Amino acid sequence: QSVLTQPPSVSAAPGQKVTISCSGSSSNIGNNYVSWYQQFPGTAPKLLIYDNNKRPSGIPDRFSGSKSGTSATLGITGLQTGDEADYYCGTWDSSLSAGVFGGGTKLTVL
Amino acid sequence: QVTLRESGPALVKPTQTLTLTCTFSGFSLSTSGMCVSWIRQPPGKALEWLALIDWDDDKYYSTSLKTRLTISKDTSKNQVVLTMTNMDPVDTATYYCARTMVQGPMGTGYFDYWGQGTLVTVSS
Repeated sequence: QSVLTQPPSVSAAPGQKVTISCSGSSSNIGNNYVSWYQQFPGTAPKLLIYDNNKRPSGIPDRFSGSKSGTSATLGITGLQTGDEADYYCGTWDSSLSAGVFGGGTKLTVL
Repeated sequence: QVTLRESGPALVKPTQTLTLTCTFSGFSLSTSGMCVSWIRQPPGKALEWLALIDWDDDKYYSTSLKTRLTISKDTSKNQVVLTMTNMDPVDTATYYCARTMVQGPMGTGYFDYWGQGTLVTVSS
């Protein structure tokens, strides 16, 4: 059971927009920065978003992040078949003094 | 160019101790804000954060695995070592090391570079 809660799966058509939610508590998302990771089968996760809403160099602006209270959201616009992957949110939990991840969300581009 | 590479045994027996080494380049673990984390992923399952060591040699562990984990660093060799005792088949997973950037409090941290991962199978 992951500390952060994500929907197991989301789907949308090519060209559309999708959002992936990540729910936590005041000890993690509520008081710390959230990051998001993209993982294709058989490969290591890749950083997509850090500091709630910042994109590393090379990440297209189709990917965005936001945070409100104890929840965070990853948004992907202009969906492409190449976006089909697993997406994870992560943050620090101040009560646990430990890193925590969500359970992951599988994105299907129909 | 930042790179990280995990190394260690692919197969361990139940009750044995696992020792994994993360060898990195392109940054120094003595620089303020630099950390290295270990993260694992059982087949078909989610990421699980295990441990972190920072530039000041402070160490943090997963609450559920704390009694079994030890993380250490050798700054001169650019290596971070994770040991996990009393291995069990449920510990079968791909183990990743990742550079962790912290901009002050730990709550600002994120994993910006990852190794390719190493699959560890626990079986007799």
